[in-house]
Amino acid sequence: KAGVTQTPRYLIKTRGQQVTLSCSPISGHRSVSWYQQTPGQGLQFLFEYFSETQRNKGNFPGRFSGRQFSNSRSEMNVSTLELGDSALYLCASSFLSGGPTDTQYFGPGTRLTVL
Amino acid sequence: QKEVEQDPGPLSVPEGAIVSLNCTYSNSAFQYFMWYRQYSRKGPELLMYTYSSGNKEDGRFTAQVDKSSKYISLFIRDSQPSDSATYLCAMSAGSSYKLIFGSGTRLLVRP
Repeated sequence: KAGVTQTPRYLIKTRGQQVTLSCSPISGHRSVSWYQQTPGQGLQFLFEYFSETQRNKGNFPGRFSGRQFSNSRSEMNVSTLELGDSALYLCASSFLSGGPTDTQYFGPGTRLTVL
Repeated sequence: QKEVEQDPGPLSVPEGAIVSLNCTYSNSAFQYFMWYRQYSRKGPELLMYTYSSGNKEDGRFTAQVDKSSKYISLFIRDSQPSDSATYLCAMSAGSSYKLIFGSGTRLLVRP
């Protein structure tokens, strides 16, 4: 069974631009969560989608948004990029409701660099 | 103060040593406790999951939760060079899937 895939793997943008990252969950998984990982802050929860609905949201500004499609694939968008948005963005999928008892499978991440 | 504190390391041990990794937390509502392992250029993978207090063993790995002290541990017996990775603790308060992660401890097992 194929794992979680994320595209692109690496991205370089400049301040003020916007970016869209894509995540394809494991086949059959309906919950997709997004995380930001930085050396200073570690892994921080962005949001979680289940059946095309955002169910949980972390403490990030409105510049960070996401969506999920009917095939469970998900995208996240960051508008008006800032230098501090440089990070590894990780997507994780799970089969059931996405609760803490559900095993989450992480993708390899998208490394975003903002210049 | 962060909700979950974890020593970033690096922790360097010889092959075969017993490794102890720890996290402390401040939110008494946390009930679900996980340990993830992350290799370089990879996403985290779930190692152990524990609900509430107690111990859980899986092969060379043992997870302990002490809710009274707000302290969790992961022990690795007979450590191997392949165990070299960053270990992240994570916690959740309930059914909401908002995991709070520690910053991770980098472990190096020397052959």
